[in-house]
This record gives sequence, C-alpha cells and structure tokens, in this order.
Amino acid sequence: DTGVSQNPRHKITKRGQNVTFRCDPISEHNRLYWYRQTLGQGPEFLTYFQNEAQLEKSRLLSDRFSAERPKGSFSTLEIQRTEQGDSAMYLCASSFTTSAAYEQYFGPGTRLTVT
Amino acid sequence: RKEVEQDPGPFNVPEGATVAFNCTYSNSASQSFFWYRQDCRKEPKLLMSVYSSGNEDGRFTAQLNRASQYISLLIRDSKLSDSATYLCVVNGDSNYQLIWGAGTKLIIKP
Repeated sequence: DTGVSQNPRHKITKRGQNVTFRCDPISEHNRLYWYRQTLGQGPEFLTYFQNEAQLEKSRLLSDRFSAERPKGSFSTLEIQRTEQGDSAMYLCASSFTTSAAYEQYFGPGTRLTVT
Repeated sequence: RKEVEQDPGPFNVPEGATVAFNCTYSNSASQSFFWYRQDCRKEPKLLMSVYSSGNEDGRFTAQLNRASQYISLLIRDSKLSDSATYLCVVNGDSNYQLIWGAGTKLIIKP
C-alpha cells in the first residue's frame, strides 16, 4: 500500500499521560500536514512541514503539542499531559510541491480517547 | 461567522435523484477550492478540485461563484454509494493551509 499510513490507529490514555503518533506520508510527497477532527466538524489544521522544516503551526495549538519530521520523511505528533478535550481523530495528510500541491491525501487517522 | 459554512443536512435523497450542495466562504482572497468526501469514521478523500470555469467529473459537477463567494456541488443520478459527508475546503491565508467546512451529510435511499 503506497498511501499515507498512521500508527497507532487507536489510542486510549489516561489524563495527564503523554502520547505520540506517527505518520508515514506518500513517499514522493515532501509536504506533510497534521489535523485534528472532532465529531461533526471538519478537520482543523494543526501544523505543516515542507521536508523537515515546520513552516507553520496553528495559533490555536497548545504548547503541549509538538511535531517533528526529522529526516523529511515520517513525522511524529506528541501530546504532553493529555486532557479530555484532546480526544479526537488526529489526521495526517501529504502532498506534492507542484501547482496542484493543495490537493492533500489523508491517512486513516489515529483516534485518541483520553479518559 | 465561520470561514467556511455548509448546511450540515442530512439530505435524504432517493436513489437516482439529483442533489446539490452549496458552501460559502468568507475570505475573498482564497484561490483554491475543493470538495472532499468522508465516509463514516474514515479519512477525507479528495472528490474534486473546483476551478473558476467550473468542472465536471462523471456525475459530479462543481461550480465556483467568486462574486458571491460560494461553491456548489451537483450530483446527478445519485447512487447508494454516494452516501457520505461532503466537505467544502478553501485555502486560508497561505496556500497550503486549508480551511474546512463542517460537512454536509448525504443519505441516498433505495
């Protein structure tokens, strides 16, 4: 399968714990995006990488959230001291750097439940 | 006012009917527009980009009205498999940042 992959698919954690998610983009894509989606809402932008550089981070994003893409391939999203409000689907997407770069392709997501 | 607004539905439509959704956006400087489809508990998948001149892909037609700042999606001869949530997407202040509507739920009934 050459699509975007994410691990784990599901994560249940207790409030206050740290969690880390991984995203492997489509191999030719140099842009990688993280989103959060809650029930009945569209995806909410969290952050964006071009190669290994994190070029933008949502102003709404708490400093408990951090993302890395150390070699410009896979990326990790870490949430420290999780809160119940962090429960959501975390989606990763990737795209090319071309004139059609805005067409993003999504992974299956990691569903986080904070108890 | 939300940056991208959609009627949440659900739209309950008989199989074979034609259905249309609209979406309005607030940023007049937006240049990129898309429709994504999302099945229940699945990731969004790109349905089609929306071009200024309008575009068609099989049973699906997308239109852009810049003056009124809305985008439309028309589905003809609807199939049971068209049942999904349709998300309207517009670029934000930067071209790579996409702003998503909350989606319109479509249910096609036999």
